[in-house]
Amino acid sequence: NAGVTQTPKFQVLKTGQSMTLQCAQDMNHEYMSWYRQDPGMGLRLIHYSVGAGITDQGEVPNGYNVSRSTTEDFPLRLLSAAPSQTSVYFCASSYRGEGTEAFFGQGTRLTVV
Amino acid sequence: QQQVKQSPQSLIVQKGGISIINCAYENTAFDYFPWYQQFPGKGPALLIAIRPDVSEKKEGRFTISFNKSAKQFSLHIMDSQPGDSATYFCAASSTGNQFYFGTGTSLTVIP
Repeated sequence: NAGVTQTPKFQVLKTGQSMTLQCAQDMNHEYMSWYRQDPGMGLRLIHYSVGAGITDQGEVPNGYNVSRSTTEDFPLRLLSAAPSQTSVYFCASSYRGEGTEAFFGQGTRLTVV
Repeated sequence: QQQVKQSPQSLIVQKGGISIINCAYENTAFDYFPWYQQFPGKGPALLIAIRPDVSEKKEGRFTISFNKSAKQFSLHIMDSQPGDSATYFCAASSTGNQFYFGTGTSLTVIP
C-alpha cells in the first residue's frame, strides 16, 4: 500500500516562478487536504476537498490554487512563488465523516529564493 | 487566531519518566481530539484520539486525559523512551474533517 504519495520531496524556486505539488492517494478517501508546516506555527490548512470536483479554502489559502478532478489526485499550485511560501507542505487524506484518521504524505520541503 | 493552544513548545524528559503535553480549545463544537506524532523528515501519524464523551483513553504507554468543562486535554506518555523523541501535535475537529492543529511540542527523551 502506497498510502499518500507526495512529489517532489524537495524543491527550490525563484521568486515569481510557478509550480505544482503533486499528491496522490490509493485508499479511495473522499477527503483530501493540504497543510503547510512552519516552525512555531504547527500545521495550517491551505485548501481541502470533500470529493472530486469540490474544493474549498482553509485558513491560509492566499497564493495557492487547487483542483480535484479525480478521487485519487489533489495537486496544489503556486502561481507566483514568494519567499513567504517557503515551508514544508503536507497532503493528507481520510474517509469523510466524524472522527476519521487523517493519513499524511511524507511532505515536500519548498524553498523560495 | 490559534484554535488549539498547545504547551510546552519543547520538553526534555529522562528515560523512564512521564511526559505531559497540554492543549486547550475554545470552540465547543469540536468533537474529536487526536494526537499526532511526527518524526524528522516524516509526515504526522495518528497516535491516539478521544471523543468528549469520555474523560480518559489509554493505549499502552499513551493516555489522553480530557476535561470537557475546562476545554482542555492532555497527552501523558508513561515510562518515556528515547524512541518516543519526536514532535507531538494535538488537534481538534468538528463535523466535516477539518482539523485544527496545535503548534507542536518537541519531545526529547534522554537515555
